[in-house]
Amino acid sequence: DAKTTQPNSMESNEEEPVHLPCNHSTISGTDYIHWYRQLPSQGPEYVIHGLTSNVNNRMASLAIAEDRKSSTLILHRATLRDAAVYYCILRDASQGNLIFGKGTKLSVKP
Amino acid sequence: DSGVTQTPKHLITATGQRVTLRCSPRSGDLSVYWYQQSLDQGLQFLIQYYNGEERAKGNILERFSAQQFPDLHSELNLSSLELGDSALYFCASSVGVRSPTHTGELFFGEGSRLTVL
Repeated sequence: DAKTTQPNSMESNEEEPVHLPCNHSTISGTDYIHWYRQLPSQGPEYVIHGLTSNVNNRMASLAIAEDRKSSTLILHRATLRDAAVYYCILRDASQGNLIFGKGTKLSVKP
Repeated sequence: DSGVTQTPKHLITATGQRVTLRCSPRSGDLSVYWYQQSLDQGLQFLIQYYNGEERAKGNILERFSAQQFPDLHSELNLSSLELGDSALYFCASSVGVRSPTHTGELFFGEGSRLTVL
């Protein structure tokens, strides 16, 4: 499985944007970039995913580098409820399971 | 609420015992996945079933087994339990292994917390 590299932890202030980086230099052409997050004491939840183009949904935006070797998850206005571990995962289009790394623990300060 | 139901939520047992964890996927989802999350190992993929058949295997111990029944619910059986098996066990479901018309996102349950004493 292609690997991703994320910072162990990041801090943000409430109401400010947050940019969570992910490096995936060995990404293959059929790998989708998925982001999940895990709130304290809960199961992981889907955030967003993309292949080549930038993506937006109600939760976040995903910016994908032109060479696809890195991506950034953008939370436009962090809230206290966004404090979680964020996982960046590469997933082949034919693959069902997700392989989680250690993720980035995001702390949000009031 | 993800729509995935896991029972029991908490389970305390002794070493050497056997337990069964149950998962009901979201209505219509054919794939079920099991994950183990411990403090030192993070989220580890154990096994995946699709429409009753094993589809992918991860770091699942030989003492563990799983199955998916015709009604699509799944059970994870853990036997000869050791202290190190204490963890959160998550079940997730998705529509299918490959579904071009869907995001293929996984929906996770709230987990079953197993404590082995």
